[in-house]
Amino acid sequence: SQKIEQNSEALNIQEGKTATLTCNYTNYSPAYLQWYRQDPGRGPVFLLLIRENEKEKRKERLKVTFDTTLKQSLFHITASQPADSATYLCALSPGGYQKVTFGIGTKLQVIP
Amino acid sequence: EAGVTQFPSHSVIEKGQTVTLRCDPISGHDNLYWYRRVMGKEIKFLLHFVKESKQDESGMPNNRFLAERTGGTYSTLKVQPAELEDSGVYFCASSQGREHSPLHFGNGTRLTVT
Repeated sequence: SQKIEQNSEALNIQEGKTATLTCNYTNYSPAYLQWYRQDPGRGPVFLLLIRENEKEKRKERLKVTFDTTLKQSLFHITASQPADSATYLCALSPGGYQKVTFGIGTKLQVIP
Repeated sequence: EAGVTQFPSHSVIEKGQTVTLRCDPISGHDNLYWYRRVMGKEIKFLLHFVKESKQDESGMPNNRFLAERTGGTYSTLKVQPAELEDSGVYFCASSQGREHSPLHFGNGTRLTVT
């Protein structure tokens, strides 16, 4: 069955460092991979989308890589700030209007 | 633009009762989705509307769940009768009609069945 793995344990890093979150998937051939941010008591907020034929995408301090051979995406936040503390969700879609499947998320805590 | 709104934000009901959740998508968004997060688990897909039509309802747990989207605007999700395992946070999301448009989520309805 399809499986998306994110490190469900919290990731603690020092302010100013680069945070790297991992998303691995099995039994899936996604056309698109997305990253969302979720704060407590709120719904997920879209951050970035990367297509299967793209290796890397950047947006301000965010960078996403997508390796379809390794079946892995890495999500980087450079110069991390305490305001970046949240749960980050990896989401996959086979394309078209088909449903988006979410990972369980990784909680990031940036320590001042 | 106004975001996706969900009502109520919290609901506590007893087993066997009925609850109706409401979602107002972003104006002009043809796609509307319902998702659910059970404690400790990932957010799981329930169903997808395109305008007023059900495009995919493969994630609906059973026939105690009924989703409607009258007129292609707001949507309701009714649970009747509610069971303990229905507890969780129900999220609604909407997106534009373009392929792979990002999902815009509401803040969810936290449902507790006692």
